Amino acid sequence: QVQLVESGGGVVQPGGSLRLSCAASGFTFSSYGMEWVRQAPGKGLEWVAYIRYDGSNKYYEDSVKGRFTISRDNSKNTLYLQMNSLRAEDTAVYYCAKDIDDSWSGPKPMDGWGKGARVTVSS
Amino acid sequence: DIVMTQSPDSLAVSLGERATINCKSSQNIFYSSNNKNFLAWYQQRSGQPPKLLIYWASTRQSGVPDRFSGSGSETDFTLTITSLQAEDVAVYYCQQYYSTPRTFGQGTKVEVK
Repeated sequence: QVQLVESGGGVVQPGGSLRLSCAASGFTFSSYGMEWVRQAPGKGLEWVAYIRYDGSNKYYEDSVKGRFTISRDNSKNTLYLQMNSLRAEDTAVYYCAKDIDDSWSGPKPMDGWGKGARVTVSS
Repeated sequence: DIVMTQSPDSLAVSLGERATINCKSSQNIFYSSNNKNFLAWYQQRSGQPPKLLIYWASTRQSGVPDRFSGSGSETDFTLTITSLQAEDVAVYYCQQYYSTPRTFGQGTKVEVK
């Protein structure tokens, strides 16, 4: 059973930093691309970042480029999102998600999601 | 960036009736190399994370009831719920994964009439 558990959320002042972690279990973490998706209060889903199964490729949504860094430690089955220079508009629930198991080697949708970590950026 | 536009923003359907949600992409998301449309549908019930329903525009995820179906190609897609059940009350999102950023539609809220 796929399990993804986010941690590290909280309240931070504008300009501050946070690091989210996502502990994965129930699947071979090192074989799957992983992603972060966020949802501002009362709003829709917004894709944030993607990392290839081996960490060799990373992609970001434009508004977080240069501020957020996605990374992974396959030896610890853990995904990370380092968030720097946080802004009020980064306030959201952040979900980590795994890509589906599909023979296609390119982009895939997400079939496993954590319950999310709440990040509030406020002074 | 590819813009995904869903319609309607909300709809109310009687139990047992059909619900249809449309999703339009601003660019063609059909990839000829694998003959697939890079389009997924997610369901998000209140207070819960999203759940994958459909991918490759029409492939139902394992465990998803067959009353959910996806169709369409290139820029125009549809999610159909053939016989709405109470547990289908949720917000539904389409997402393209053809290119980054992997954009979502704004969501369609489905309620019981």
